[in-house]
Amino acid sequence: QQPVQSPQAVILREGEDAVINCSSSKALYSVHWYRQKHGEAPVFLMILLKGGEQKGHEKISASFNEKKQQSSLYLTASQLSYSGTYFCGTVPNNNAGNMLTFGGGTRLMVKP
Amino acid sequence: DVKVTQSSRYLVKRTGEKVFLECVQDMDHENMFWYRQDPGLGLRLIYFSYDVKMKEKGDIPEGYSVSREKKERFSLILESASTNQTSMYLCASSFRPPSYNEQFFGPGTRLTVL
Repeated sequence: QQPVQSPQAVILREGEDAVINCSSSKALYSVHWYRQKHGEAPVFLMILLKGGEQKGHEKISASFNEKKQQSSLYLTASQLSYSGTYFCGTVPNNNAGNMLTFGGGTRLMVKP
Repeated sequence: DVKVTQSSRYLVKRTGEKVFLECVQDMDHENMFWYRQDPGLGLRLIYFSYDVKMKEKGDIPEGYSVSREKKERFSLILESASTNQTSMYLCASSFRPPSYNEQFFGPGTRLTVL
């Protein structure tokens, strides 16, 4: 079952903040975040693991609440380059060696 | 520079035709994936391969098959294309395990079945 992302779409002005949420009906081992710009391939942003470990290489922060089975991506002081569609991917706790299930995506548009 | 390439950016086929989509990665990744992307539905996994000649079904394998004869190459086959297979197809690769490692995506193939 796909995780549910909210909101489905958001429009911001440059410099504003946004939060994108990803909720699962299952207990999770890890949550992954990707961004896809229009006409391009999805690009990795971050992995959050059960127990608090994080892997990422961009100045974007995220949280992982294991009890609530959800993750949030925080985009602060947004820039025009943040525009795109954000996807979360989840790995359930009972299948930690296995592949991701992606959410439906959140479209973010940052305007000047 | 890390690379995943796909054989075509755009493809137009007729109903009933056999369609081959090819993906090549140069990162020596064990895992390779085929996804289908449709508006509002995100990325849905069709098939996954964790080694040469090994494959596992994803969430929507019906109407598709795959082949992995070499580590760097993963092919998606539509045995008899149908109009409901019109979509964007994305290939990706990663190190093991996929739960812990980032996936690198190719540019996608937009397939139209008439």
